[in-house]
Amino acid sequence: QVQLQESGPGLVKPSETLSLTCVVSGYYISVGHYWGWIRQSPGKGLEWIASIDHSGSTYYNPSLKSRVTISIDTPKNQFSLTLSFVTAADTALYYCARLPFDDSDNWFDPWGQGILVTVSS
Amino acid sequence: DIQMTQSPSSLSASVGDRVTITCRASRNIISYLNWYQQKPGKAPKLLMFAVSSLQSGVPSRFSGSGSGTDFTLTISSLQPEDFATYYCQQSYSSPFSFGQGTRLDIK
Repeated sequence: QVQLQESGPGLVKPSETLSLTCVVSGYYISVGHYWGWIRQSPGKGLEWIASIDHSGSTYYNPSLKSRVTISIDTPKNQFSLTLSFVTAADTALYYCARLPFDDSDNWFDPWGQGILVTVSS
Repeated sequence: DIQMTQSPSSLSASVGDRVTITCRASRNIISYLNWYQQKPGKAPKLLMFAVSSLQSGVPSRFSGSGSGTDFTLTISSLQPEDFATYYCQQSYSSPFSFGQGTRLDIK
């Protein structure tokens, strides 16, 4: 049974870079599937951020693309998100999730438990 | 970007009721529509993908229909564990967007 677990700092200062990691267990990410990040905030609801496949092929939400990088580390069976120049608007619960095996569709299942990131000085 | 609009935003119902939640896309998304259930303090859980395909383990009292821009999620007979918030999500084009949610609580 595949499980995902987010980790990273819960507090980031404005203008700094947010870095999160999602460790996958129960499945070798080198085998396949796309992997992604979604965030949830009271103001914006659920917002897809970015996705990546096992070969490193990426796609990003255009509204965040200039500040976001998603990467994958298959030996460590994890993938990561960095979001630069954060503001209070980036305060949210950040989730990692698995997408389907190929890029024929883009639903999210399963999800990690989420990590709350607050942007504040 | 495709906007997803759910109605109602909240709904009160009783155990055993039949409930329908509607999701409308701002343009044609064919059948690229997915539904999630979220309970307080938990991550969303995929219920259904491609309009009407039940994810493994999801009870058959959940069903979905629609195509193009208008979609529905129906729960045929509400059970106590169904009280939660439900979200639709389009996977037709990037950025993959979600509805604002429908909160279903006990009457």
